[in-house]
Amino acid sequence: DTEVTQTPKHLVMGMTNKKSLKCEQHMGHRAMYWYKQKAKKPPELMFVYSYEKLSINESVPSRFSPECPNSSLLNLHLHALQPEDSALYLCASSQPGLNEKLFFGSGTQLSVL
Amino acid sequence: KQEVTQIPAALSVPEGENLVLNCSFTDSAIYNLQWFRQDPGKGLTSLLLIQSSQREQTSGRLNASLDKSSGRSTLYIAASQPGDSATYLCAVGGFQKLVFGTGTRLLVSP
Repeated sequence: DTEVTQTPKHLVMGMTNKKSLKCEQHMGHRAMYWYKQKAKKPPELMFVYSYEKLSINESVPSRFSPECPNSSLLNLHLHALQPEDSALYLCASSQPGLNEKLFFGSGTQLSVL
Repeated sequence: KQEVTQIPAALSVPEGENLVLNCSFTDSAIYNLQWFRQDPGKGLTSLLLIQSSQREQTSGRLNASLDKSSGRSTLYIAASQPGDSATYLCAVGGFQKLVFGTGTRLLVSP
């Protein structure tokens, strides 16, 4: 199984809502990532978890809260988002290391109204 | 701060042509360089990874080269097919961080 599964595929939320994005992989990878991609722009790194511990936070606003409950799951909790947060949110996984390929999920397309 | 640029931004070719996509980066202190393809509204698929000590990698009709000293990489696609139509992104690897380029949108016409 070389898949990274993200749910939901699409999400529409209001600025006062609380929602969560989920990501799951069963490749035994111990590094998991959240990226944000605006339309026609490259992905930008948000968070990295390594061995279930947060290792990188790219100065992301606190309205985005990541969680890694176990080695297979990664969540992104959303609260009080702004319309400019509308984007494709991509999850990825890899083995920790210097030269490991990243495997990406198909993403959650988020719209904030 | 690492900056990654890809040229051209868009490319349209007829089926069967060989083509080259270019990627340049400003900081040569990298661990690796990866090439990905992305279909519209979808995630990224890893195509090739070149370690900093390597000069090139090949997979099927794809060949990627890396010249770390000049901050450049190229992706060569042989005998292009309509199924190759996608956006191609290069990404420069630091430790646990990838910095992505601006992408090249490729359209291969039958």
